[in-house]
Amino acid sequence: DIVMTQSPDSLAVSLGERATINCKSSHSVFYIANKKNYLAWYQQKPGQSPKLLISWASTRESGVPDRFSGSGSGTDFTLTISSLQAEDVAVYYCQQYDSTPPTFGQGTKVEIK
Amino acid sequence: EVQLVESGGGLVQPGRSLRLSCAASGFTFDDYAMHWVRQAPGKGLEWVSGISWKSDWTEYADSVKGRFTISRDNAKNSLYLQMNSLRVEDTAFYYCVKDGLSLAGRPEYFDYWGQGTLVTVSS
Repeated sequence: DIVMTQSPDSLAVSLGERATINCKSSHSVFYIANKKNYLAWYQQKPGQSPKLLISWASTRESGVPDRFSGSGSGTDFTLTISSLQAEDVAVYYCQQYDSTPPTFGQGTKVEIK
Repeated sequence: EVQLVESGGGLVQPGRSLRLSCAASGFTFDDYAMHWVRQAPGKGLEWVSGISWKSDWTEYADSVKGRFTISRDNAKNSLYLQMNSLRVEDTAFYYCVKDGLSLAGRPEYFDYWGQGTLVTVSS
């Protein structure tokens, strides 16, 4: 199974500041044939189910604010919140879907400083 | 609007069985693979099982293989998870999850999640 490791486990950022979450996979999730990275990001707010933010490492879902962006390729990926808002307090998960079973990172908790 | 509504959770003793159901609406159910993902209270996400749009493939996490069975009824827009020989470590919220790509031949990303149903395995 591909192991997904996120860092840090938690971070506290001031309102309006940048938050950066890293995700590393134990194997490359880049598929050469279509030049796509099989990596997704999810947001889970307290008491809610997860919500898809980004697929294919950098494609934002419809309705997701553009302060959320994904980058990276191969084994190293980043989710950036460019200007943290109060409503962004949540746990964020990366997930690979390059191989079965699909696997998730352990989660990164984002709080307001 | 896509809706996924799980039911069937509850308190069950170790070794017993439980069947979860998920009622889907708001999309063409038989065009998409469906999955179950679980989350132990206060813990992270674990994919449990998936089934293709026409039920020609099913996949399971090693932790549930041989004990859980996923199925679907496209005529009823419903997904199921039969859980046998339950263990304390199966205690979790179980989410019904829609695959993000139509007619996918394997698990992809997950674009819609239900609210979850809590399964508690305890004596």
